[in-house]
Amino acid sequence: ILNVEQSPQSLHVQEGDSTNFTCSFPSSNFYALHWYRWETAKSPEALFVMTLNGDEKKKGRISATLNTKEGYSYLYIKGSQPEDSATYLCASLSGTYKYIFGTGTRLKVLA
Amino acid sequence: GAVVSQHPSRVICKSGTSVKIECRSLDFQATTMFWYRQFPKKSLMLMATSNEGSKATYEQGVEKDKFLINHASLTLSTLTVTSAHPEDSSFYICSARAGTGGSYEQYFGPGTRLTVT
Repeated sequence: ILNVEQSPQSLHVQEGDSTNFTCSFPSSNFYALHWYRWETAKSPEALFVMTLNGDEKKKGRISATLNTKEGYSYLYIKGSQPEDSATYLCASLSGTYKYIFGTGTRLKVLA
Repeated sequence: GAVVSQHPSRVICKSGTSVKIECRSLDFQATTMFWYRQFPKKSLMLMATSNEGSKATYEQGVEKDKFLINHASLTLSTLTVTSAHPEDSSFYICSARAGTGGSYEQYFGPGTRLTVT
């Protein structure tokens, strides 16, 4: 059974602070790593799809890195804003082509 | 683009009744749709994978007679929880994928909160 772990489970940051959180996944039989942003009562929104070791992706103030050899990905948010408040999910896709999700990191940005 | 709707967003039903949840891809054809379930403070757990026009593939431990999945068209899949019991109360969410290959990106609906009384 594959396990995807995310940490921390939740965090509160002040507006303007930068923050980061971690997604750990089994490195064997790795295919892709997805990051999603999920606001309450809305659909999870795809942020990044990462496949290659060393990948770095950026979308505005949000960026992500990938290490497939050691099985982790970091998501960074620079200059957090209240609208960044959401749950950030990662999902690992292996050779079975099924997603295994982490439990998410709940971010609250305080104005 | 790539919008998936899910209906209803919230439903309360009595024990023993059946509930149908619809998942629609609004602006693309979904060859594959997935149904997930999420318990409080737990991760999304895949229940089944459905391909248009064929029988769904259920994950281990998911009762196919309990959770009926139909994927009759390229834009619609339904999940019917039959003879619902309080332990079926959960958050159900679907996703849809346009095709195979590439990054296997999937697009999610907003989910359905089911409460069985």
